[in-house]
Amino acid sequence: AQRVTQPEKLLSVFKGAPVELKCNYSYSGSPELFWYVQYSRQRLQLLLRHISRESIKGFTADLNKGETSFHLKKPFAQEEDSAMYYCALRPYSGGYQKVTFGTGTKLQVIP
Amino acid sequence: DAGVIQSPRHEVTEMGQEVTLRCKPISGHDYLFWYRQTMMRGLELLIYFNNNVPIDDSGMPEDRFSAKMPNASFSTLKIQPSEPRDSAVYFCASSPSGGYKNIQYFGAGTRLSVL
Repeated sequence: AQRVTQPEKLLSVFKGAPVELKCNYSYSGSPELFWYVQYSRQRLQLLLRHISRESIKGFTADLNKGETSFHLKKPFAQEEDSAMYYCALRPYSGGYQKVTFGTGTKLQVIP
Repeated sequence: DAGVIQSPRHEVTEMGQEVTLRCKPISGHDYLFWYRQTMMRGLELLIYFNNNVPIDDSGMPEDRFSAKMPNASFSTLKIQPSEPRDSAVYFCASSPSGGYKNIQYFGAGTRLSVL
């Protein structure tokens, strides 16, 4: 069975400071990793997925299979980044496999 | 497309009452999911459907919870009888088949308060 761990429930940083939201996973096979974000009064939505290897809103995340991590990073935090962030994992195999979400980290950017 | 539509947005009920949450997925999506969000446990998958058929209901907490999907455009999550510990935000999400089958599109959620 797969598991996703987000060790921090709340992360507070000052505007302009670097951000790193931690995500660790356990899964014996090949995983597909995602970050979802929920801004205040908005729907939960996909931020990025590791197979796309893209930067969204200045955020990047690299899959580190050795450390089984998929940390979300941004060099300079902005106030509009304040939101709830969820890391999620799906087994990368044929057919549909359910997605497992972490418990989420609330990012608070202090002006 | 208006996205995934959930109703009601807010529900306040008394312990012991029946609660029915509703969801309309995005047209053409083959998968539908029901999640529960709480501060303590984060986002938990309750059940998901593929082509209207329940595939995995292992996350449904107990027999008081049931979910149906009578057709491709409608699903319900029912709690009977409701209890205060059921208070949470319930999300519905849908997902297409094909290359983007692993991306989930969420509704705005139903905030349930059981007094």
